[in-house]
Amino acid sequence: AQTVTQSQPEMSVQEAETVTLSCTYDTSESDYYLFWYKQPPSRQMILVIRQEAYKQQNATENRFSVNFQKAAKSFSLKISDSQLGDAAMYFCAYRRIMGAQKLVFGQGTRLTINP
Amino acid sequence: GAVVSQHPSRVICKSGTSVKIECRSLDFQATTMFWYRQFPKQSLMLMATSNEGSKATYEQGVEKDKFLINHASLTLSTLTVTSAHPEDSSFYICSAPRDGTNEKLFFGSGTQLSVL
Repeated sequence: AQTVTQSQPEMSVQEAETVTLSCTYDTSESDYYLFWYKQPPSRQMILVIRQEAYKQQNATENRFSVNFQKAAKSFSLKISDSQLGDAAMYFCAYRRIMGAQKLVFGQGTRLTINP
Repeated sequence: GAVVSQHPSRVICKSGTSVKIECRSLDFQATTMFWYRQFPKQSLMLMATSNEGSKATYEQGVEKDKFLINHASLTLSTLTVTSAHPEDSSFYICSAPRDGTNEKLFFGSGTQLSVL
């Protein structure tokens, strides 16, 4: 079974600074998807970024980028120029390519932005 | 964009009663929907996969007789918590992929269940 591990329960960063959230995962499959989701206090799940495992290029979405290390099974999220609105729970998630499109989530990291 | 509507957003009930939560895809068909549960300050745990026209697939440790899932149409799945008890109090979230695509999942806004 696939597992996702986020070893940082909480992180904090100064506004406008850069922060990196860590995620590792375990799978025996060669192709899969990885995601970062944001859950603000409203608890609505918001997709931040998605990475296909067969793509070597790291995904980027504006201020958000990932460092995908397939061999190490590592998938970290970098948030540049942190903004107050970035404060939320962040979940790393794994999904198989084939079969049911269910997500396996990590434990989450609570990100605080200090003004 | 695609939207998944989930109702109610919050429900308070007495112990022993049943509660139904609806998850509806508003502008796309979803043969499959997923139900997650999230306890306070914890992650989302998959409870079951809802399949239109067939029985749901439950994750290990989830009581199928307690958490009844009905996926009666291509746009609607319901989760009924039967004989609810305080330990069932949690945040329940549904999600669905658009049929025929391998794109992202669309999430409902969640239901906070409080059992007194």
